[in-house]
Amino acid sequence: DTAVSQTPKYLVTQMGNDKSIKCEQNLGHDTMYWYKQDSKKFLKIMFSYNNKELIINETVPNRFSPKSPDKAHLNLHINSLELGDSAVYFCASSQDGTTWGYTFGSGTRLTVV
Amino acid sequence: GESVGLHLPTLSVQEGDNSIINCAYSNSASDYFIWYKQESGKGPQFIIDIRSNMDKRQGQRVTVLLNKTVKHLSLQIAATQPGDSAVYFCAEREGYQKVTFGTGTKLQVIP
Repeated sequence: DTAVSQTPKYLVTQMGNDKSIKCEQNLGHDTMYWYKQDSKKFLKIMFSYNNKELIINETVPNRFSPKSPDKAHLNLHINSLELGDSAVYFCASSQDGTTWGYTFGSGTRLTVV
Repeated sequence: GESVGLHLPTLSVQEGDNSIINCAYSNSASDYFIWYKQESGKGPQFIIDIRSNMDKRQGQRVTVLLNKTVKHLSLQIAATQPGDSAVYFCAEREGYQKVTFGTGTKLQVIP
């Protein structure tokens, strides 16, 4: 069973489109995250949700809107996609915010053309 | 901050030798450090962690060393195997849920 699953794995879309990436975890964790990994492999946190509440929102353009319908799901919606949004987006979860042991999904490679 | 340079730092090691991957962190308030391994096409995977009140922690074939004086973290892999080939990230935590990843080091194991 996949602990943290993201869909789709690959996403190719044109500039200006709106797209969503879905994430689900079956670990019973309380906290979920979205990370962006650029072409240089640099990982940067975007958002963190704890029990459906937004905890961290790191200087991300408001074109990015996370939504957490329940603590097992954290989706990422992106409006008006730009070329610079091309990256690999990782979802992760942890048991609570004060302990480590993040479990990452396998990533969604977004390519904006 | 952002990674610098055009290329990911790469460490090439002969199979069977020991590997040492280094990481410099900048935040003296960080209280928890972690090493992650990322294989091609996969998400980062937890390897080992260490709290700031420790200077050494050992796992299976891996050892993490922490030098708070110079803000330096290292990951030692004993008897490196081809399956160890991956990008390795150090990460630091300050306070509640504030996590910063390092730039990553690519480990290439030569058979």
